[in-house]
Amino acid sequence: AQKVTQAQTEISVVEKEDVTLDCVYETRDTTYYLFWYKQPPSGELVFLIRRNSFDEQNEISGRYSWNFQKSTSSFNFTITASQVVDSAVYFCALSEANNAGNMLTFGGGTRLMVKP
Amino acid sequence: DVKVTQSSRYLVKRTGEKVFLECVQDMDHENMFWYRQDPGLGLRLIYFSYDVKMKEKGDIPEGYSVSREKKERFSLILESASTNQTSMYLCASSLHSRLSGNTIYFGEGSWLTVV
Repeated sequence: AQKVTQAQTEISVVEKEDVTLDCVYETRDTTYYLFWYKQPPSGELVFLIRRNSFDEQNEISGRYSWNFQKSTSSFNFTITASQVVDSAVYFCALSEANNAGNMLTFGGGTRLMVKP
Repeated sequence: DVKVTQSSRYLVKRTGEKVFLECVQDMDHENMFWYRQDPGLGLRLIYFSYDVKMKEKGDIPEGYSVSREKKERFSLILESASTNQTSMYLCASSLHSRLSGNTIYFGEGSWLTVV
């Protein structure tokens, strides 16, 4: 069975600091998809990134970057030069292949607080 | 842009009441989902539907039912609300395919308090 673990329940940083959110997953499938979502105080989950298991290239999007390492079953998310608007709960999620329902298994979430 | 709309943001209901949470998506997605979010537990899948009138149980279906009469609309029903169903409920949708990986889009959530 699949499982996603976000060991950091809460992180607090000062604006402009870099911060990394950890995500470790478990799956028996060789083909799977990993996601990160952001949930601001308004409640809506905002899609950030999707990565399939065959693509281990790191990805950078502005101040956001993702480090996917199959060897350690991790998909970590780094925010560079954090801003107050980055304050939110961030969820890592996993979807296994042959799962036509596209169901996601979520981690418990990491609450990030960026202080001015 | 994909739009998933949940009809009620905040509800307060009494124990034993029947509660309907409505969700509509405008992207012609086949799949629709209802998740429940609780602190420390992340999101847990209650039910999902991959077609009109089709439904599948998720991880925590007990105490809930769903209805999918039209492709764009997916309703979550609490037949007899209880205090342990106080939570944030999130509706979502995605395209359907044989393989997973399609991005799931979420609504803004409905905060339900049962007193």
